[in-house]
Amino acid sequence: GAVVSQHPSRVICKSGTSVKIECRSLDFQATTMFWYRQFPKQSLMLMATSNEGSKATYEQGVEKDKFLINHASLTLSTLTVTSAHPEDSSFYICSARERTGEYGYTFGSGTRLTVV
Amino acid sequence: KQEVTQIPAALSVPEGENLVLNCSFTDSAIYNLQWFRQDPGKGLTSLLLIQSSQREQTSGRLNASLDKSSGRSTLYIAASQPGDSATYLCAVRLETSGSRLTFGEGTQLTVNP
Repeated sequence: GAVVSQHPSRVICKSGTSVKIECRSLDFQATTMFWYRQFPKQSLMLMATSNEGSKATYEQGVEKDKFLINHASLTLSTLTVTSAHPEDSSFYICSARERTGEYGYTFGSGTRLTVV
Repeated sequence: KQEVTQIPAALSVPEGENLVLNCSFTDSAIYNLQWFRQDPGKGLTSLLLIQSSQREQTSGRLNASLDKSSGRSTLYIAASQPGDSATYLCAVRLETSGSRLTFGEGTQLTVNP
């Protein structure tokens, strides 16, 4: 089956600094990856759709200058939280779909970001 | 706008019981529906994927059904075990939404030994 690796699993950073989260498809090519944010006891909120070789598509209300997304290759997408603030603390999860769609969507293990 | 609702929000059952989780969606023009499991602080694990042309899918003790016309899907878990305790999420992909998924709020399941 398709596997998505997400790193780091947990990160603590100081307010004002930037944090990069990586999402890799290990055994398939993903032309499209998705970034979600999840608040405690709530479902996933789609932040943006990342397309290989082009700009990401952001959902309404998501600041593209704050949440920088780069999809440099068919197996790697990164989310950088710039000038992080405590309100950015959350659980971030990436997802990818292999081209045939046989396995549906595969999710990474998530990143717990804490901004202090 | 597609809305996905899951009932109940939480469920607690004794070990060994068979149970049903419900998912409903407002737009029946779906491409597929996927059930996921999420353990606390973890990502999502795909359980079952049902294409729009299918009525059900089975994997081990899990069976998921799909009724597009009524906008419903159920996840049946047979002979529940404490290890089944997790949050179960259903997600719908619309025919017209490209690749995006719309998630329900989830059902938090606790199976007591």
